[in-house]
Amino acid sequence: DAKTTQPPSMDCAEGRAANLPCNHSTISGNEYVYWYRQIHSQGPQYIIHGLKNNETNEMASLIITEDRKSSTLILPHATLRDTAVYYCIVRVAGIRKNYGGSQGNLIFGKGTKLSVKP
Amino acid sequence: EAGVAQSPRYKIIEKRQSVAFWCNPISGHATLYWYQQILGQGPKLLIQFQNNGVVDDSQLPKDRFSAERLKGVDSTLKIQPAKLEDSAVYLCASSLDRQGKETQYFGPGTRLLVL
Repeated sequence: DAKTTQPPSMDCAEGRAANLPCNHSTISGNEYVYWYRQIHSQGPQYIIHGLKNNETNEMASLIITEDRKSSTLILPHATLRDTAVYYCIVRVAGIRKNYGGSQGNLIFGKGTKLSVKP
Repeated sequence: EAGVAQSPRYKIIEKRQSVAFWCNPISGHATLYWYQQILGQGPKLLIQFQNNGVVDDSQLPKDRFSAERLKGVDSTLKIQPAKLEDSAVYLCASSLDRQGKETQYFGPGTRLLVL
C-alpha cells in the first residue's frame, strides 16, 4: 500500500499557484519525498524530490514540514498543460547493495487529479 | 537525449491469446522497470531488472507473465495466456541507479485491451 495520503482532486485557476498537499506521517528517516505527475495518455513524469529541506527546480517547489510528516508541492503559475494526476511517493534512495530488495521502488497511490481551469 | 521507447502503443487481443511488449530504455540506464497501470489506479511495479539480472519480481504473476532483458538493454514483457483483467497500460521505466541519479524515467506505455 502507498504510504502517503492525498486529496483525490483539486481545481486551480490558470495563472494562480497550485498547492498540492501530501501526508506521510509514517515516513522513515531515510525516505525521500518524490513527486511525479501523469498527464492523460502519457507515462509518469518526475517533478521533484527532497529529504528534509525545501527544494525548488524549474518545474515546482517542494515544501516539507519540519517533522517531515507532510509536504506541499507548489506549481507557482499553473497553466492548462499542468492538468494531470500528481503522485506523492515516499521512497528510500541511495545505492542498493543487495539484490532482492524493493526498498527503492516507487509505490504509487491514486494521486491527486489537478484540473487547471481558464 | 532520447527517452524510453515502447511498442506497440496499443494492442487489442482476445482472452487466452498471447501478447508481447517491447521496451528500449534510455542509453546507459542500468535499471529497467515494468509497471502495470489499471484504469483509475496508480502504476504497480511488476518487475525490476538491474542490467540483465532480476532485482524484484515479487508482484509478477509468474503463471502467465514473463519478462527478459537478455543483453542488459532492451526488454520484453510477455503475457501468455491473457485474461480479461490484464487490460491495462503497461509502462516501462529506466534509471541510472547511481548515487543521486535514481530518478525513474517512464515511456509512453502500451495500452492493452483484452476482449
